[in-house]
Amino acid sequence: EAGVAQSPRYKIIEKRQSVAFWCNPISGHATLYWYQQILGQGPKLLIQFQNNGVVDDSQLPKDRFSAERLKGVDSTLKIQPAKLEDSAVYLCASRHQGRETQYFGPGTRLLVL
Amino acid sequence: RKEVEQDPGPFNVPEGATVAFNCTYSNSASQSFFWYRQDCRKEPKLLMSVYSSGNEDGRFTAQLNRASQYISLLIRDSKLSDSATYLCVVSSNAGGTSYGKLTFGQGTILTVHP
Repeated sequence: EAGVAQSPRYKIIEKRQSVAFWCNPISGHATLYWYQQILGQGPKLLIQFQNNGVVDDSQLPKDRFSAERLKGVDSTLKIQPAKLEDSAVYLCASRHQGRETQYFGPGTRLLVL
Repeated sequence: RKEVEQDPGPFNVPEGATVAFNCTYSNSASQSFFWYRQDCRKEPKLLMSVYSSGNEDGRFTAQLNRASQYISLLIRDSKLSDSATYLCVVSSNAGGTSYGKLTFGQGTILTVHP
């Protein structure tokens, strides 16, 4: 079974620029999550989707971050404009409905200069 | 107060040692508990779930004390390959739904040396 796919794996941008990350969850997984992991910290949930609907986006900085999952499969996370403190690894995870375990993708490592 | 708190370590132990990690959580309504392992520059992976009755998986033993809101992980006979960051994770309902929202501790770094 293929795992969670993410791209790009690495991205370097300058502050105030825009950036987008893509995630393809495990086939059949209705729930999709985006996490931000800053160096030395555990992952922090940004947004949770159930199919194409948002379940929880309480920790998403909505003035600059946006995410969508239009067809209930792939998802994109965008930052516009980026700040230095956005430098982190952005992890996507998915979960099969009715099961507890979340499976993480390899992450996108973002550096904002 | 952080929702999930761990001793960040680092723990530096010789092969064969026994090492214990501790974790506390603040949300008494939390429902499920886990330990995840994260290797350097890799994604987190589920190590084991944690139950009130305690559970064991080979050299790994996890314990949960709901009254004290305390979770532990014990690793016996440490191997070089156990070197990683161990994340304490607590799950609660998101927005009143049945969908689990994971809250991670900051992680405890373990290095096992020859």
